[in-house]
Amino acid sequence: AQSVTQLDSQVPVFEEAPVELRCNYSSSVSVYLFWYVQYPNQGLQLLLKYLSGSTLVESINGFEAEFNKSQTSFHLRKPSVHISDTAEYFCAVSESQGGSTSYGKLTFGQGTILTVHP
Amino acid sequence: DAGVTQSPTHLIKTRGQQVTLRCSPKSGHDTVSWYQQALGQGPQFIFQYYEEEERQRGNFPDRFSGHQFPNYSSELNVNALLLGDSALYLCASSFGPHHEQYFGPGTRLTVT
Repeated sequence: AQSVTQLDSQVPVFEEAPVELRCNYSSSVSVYLFWYVQYPNQGLQLLLKYLSGSTLVESINGFEAEFNKSQTSFHLRKPSVHISDTAEYFCAVSESQGGSTSYGKLTFGQGTILTVHP
Repeated sequence: DAGVTQSPTHLIKTRGQQVTLRCSPKSGHDTVSWYQQALGQGPQFIFQYYEEEERQRGNFPDRFSGHQFPNYSSELNVNALLLGDSALYLCASSFGPHHEQYFGPGTRLTVT
């Protein structure tokens, strides 16, 4: 079974400050890792993903996340946040091996609400 | 290119009633997954449909059932509604069961 822990339920920051949203996971098999963003009253949008290759992945709007296998973490970072980044962020995992009973199923963390203040 | 669409956007039902939610996948996608997102929680996997069959199921009772049609659209049915079924129901589609999932805007179900 897989599980995801997002260590902070709320993160308040000032505009243009750096931010890190923490995510740790547990799984007995290899995983794919994802960060999704949810704006108020909307569905989830994929922010970035790690499938294989370079452990540092980047999004088009300045976010990045690094897969750390030894620490089973996939923390999300941005060097300078904007007001428009205010949203809820979800970390998710899925097993990367075919034939598993949970292959393709996403397991989400509880979410981190990022609030950017002017 | 239309993304994932869901209907209705909002729904209010009474305890004990039955409800049907609908999802149309993104163009080119053949797999639909359903998630329940309770207030203040992360989404929880309900089940996944591929080739018109339920391929995986999360920890949800049999009151939750689904269907996938030949055009890949899907329905989620919930019988004997409970107050605890109040949530945002999200549909996600992908090309194949193990590929990147794209989410729809959700259906907000309120059970009174």
